Amino acid sequence: QKEVEQNSGPLSVPEGAIASLNCTYSDRGSQSFFWYRQYSGKSPELIMSIYSNGDKEDGRFTAQLNKASQYVSLLIRDSQPSDSATYLCAVNEEGGSEKLVFGKGTKLTVNP
Amino acid sequence: GAVVSQHPSWVICKSGTSVKIECRSLDFQATTMFWYRQFPKQSLMLMATSNEGSKATYEQGVEKDKFLINHASLTLSTLTVTSAHPEDSSFYICSDSPVGDGTYEQYFGPGTRLTVT
Repeated sequence: QKEVEQNSGPLSVPEGAIASLNCTYSDRGSQSFFWYRQYSGKSPELIMSIYSNGDKEDGRFTAQLNKASQYVSLLIRDSQPSDSATYLCAVNEEGGSEKLVFGKGTKLTVNP
Repeated sequence: GAVVSQHPSWVICKSGTSVKIECRSLDFQATTMFWYRQFPKQSLMLMATSNEGSKATYEQGVEKDKFLINHASLTLSTLTVTSAHPEDSSFYICSDSPVGDGTYEQYFGPGTRLTVT
């Protein structure tokens, strides 16, 4: 059973703080890892992709991947109220499948 | 990111009728398309995967005769919910993934909110 686990939260941080979102996955052969942001009532939006161990930075967002620990995280620096959303971690199935397995999401609230 | 259009954005229909939802990839020449369903406060549930020229691949537990998928062209896929019932009320979202680029990135359409009365 392929699984992607996330802390459902809610995670609450003050404006300007760093928000840290975590995700573990069960499929050791997975090669592609994604973070999506989903605002209430809207569809998910891809915000980060990461394929290699280490950190990948894009603006205020940093994705971190550790394949040995089967762990991927997302850091949001200088959090803004507009970052308040549910963040979905997604991992491709091993074997080169195009299908993604999604976690249940972590709800983030950034308080002004 | 890629642009995916989905139509309609919301629909209300009576029990027993059928509803067609269109999903179109606007950026890529050829895509794999995915259909998801999301119930309130739950995560995405993959329903099926479709490619032009082949039958859709349905996930376990999804009724292929109820949820008809037609990938009419390289960049257009439709989902028809046949004989809809109130329990089919949900948020239906399609996504596309460019064929062959190896990234497995998926870009979502805006979704269709279906209410069956």
